[in-house]
Amino acid sequence: GQQVMQIPQYQHVQEGEDFTTYCNSSTTLSNIQWYKQRPGGHPVFLIQLVKSGEVKKQKRLTFQFGEAKKNSSLHITATQTTDVGTYFCAGTSGAGSYQLTFGKGTKLSVIP
Amino acid sequence: DGGITQSPKYLFRKEGQNVTLSCEQNLNHDAMYWYRQDPGQGLRLIYYSQIVNDFQKGDIAEGYSVSREKKESFPLTVTSAQKNPTAFYLCASSTLGGGNTEAFFGQGTRLTVV
Repeated sequence: GQQVMQIPQYQHVQEGEDFTTYCNSSTTLSNIQWYKQRPGGHPVFLIQLVKSGEVKKQKRLTFQFGEAKKNSSLHITATQTTDVGTYFCAGTSGAGSYQLTFGKGTKLSVIP
Repeated sequence: DGGITQSPKYLFRKEGQNVTLSCEQNLNHDAMYWYRQDPGQGLRLIYYSQIVNDFQKGDIAEGYSVSREKKESFPLTVTSAQKNPTAFYLCASSTLGGGNTEAFFGQGTRLTVV
C-alpha cells in the first residue's frame, strides 16, 4: 500500500535557527497536506499542495511539492518557541481513493 | 459550533473487553477516518469511510470494527482481538474532492487497557 516516509524523526534547534522536514511517498500523490500537533493536542491542518512544483508560504513557513508529486518539504525560518510540536505530512493517491496516509512526523524542539 | 467530537477523552478497560469509541461531526463531511497514534509511530489509519453504509480497512484494521449508519457518526469498536489496544485514538472528517480536503480532527480518546 501507499507509504509516506518523513525525516528526520526528531530535530532540536536553537531559537532563531531554521528547520526543515522532508516527506517522501512511494506513490505519486494527488495532493500533500501538512499538519501540526502541539504536545498533548490533536493534529491541526496547516496547508494543502496540489500542483506539481507548487510552493506556498505562510509567514515563516515555506511548503514545497516536488515536480514528480512524490515528495514535499516544510521549511521554517528563524524558529520560535511557539513552533514546538510535531509536524506531519499526509497524502492521498487519488484515483477515487481518499485514503489519507500520514508520515511518522518530525518532532521539533526549540531551545530558547 | 461546528466541529468533530470524540468521547470520552480518557477510557480505561479491562483486558478482554470490547470497547466502543464515539465520533460525531456536524460539518456535513462525507469522509471520516480513525487513526491510532503511538509514540514514535505517527498516525496509522485503522478504517475510513467515504459514504454512509460503506467503509474500507486501513493499514491496521485487525482487531477493530466500525459502522457508518449515519453521515454524522463513525464509532470505532476495539475488540478483544486487538493485541495491544492501549493507545491514543483520533477521529477525523473531511470533504471529498472539490478543492481543499483538509481533515478536521477530534480531541482524541486515550484508551488504557489494564
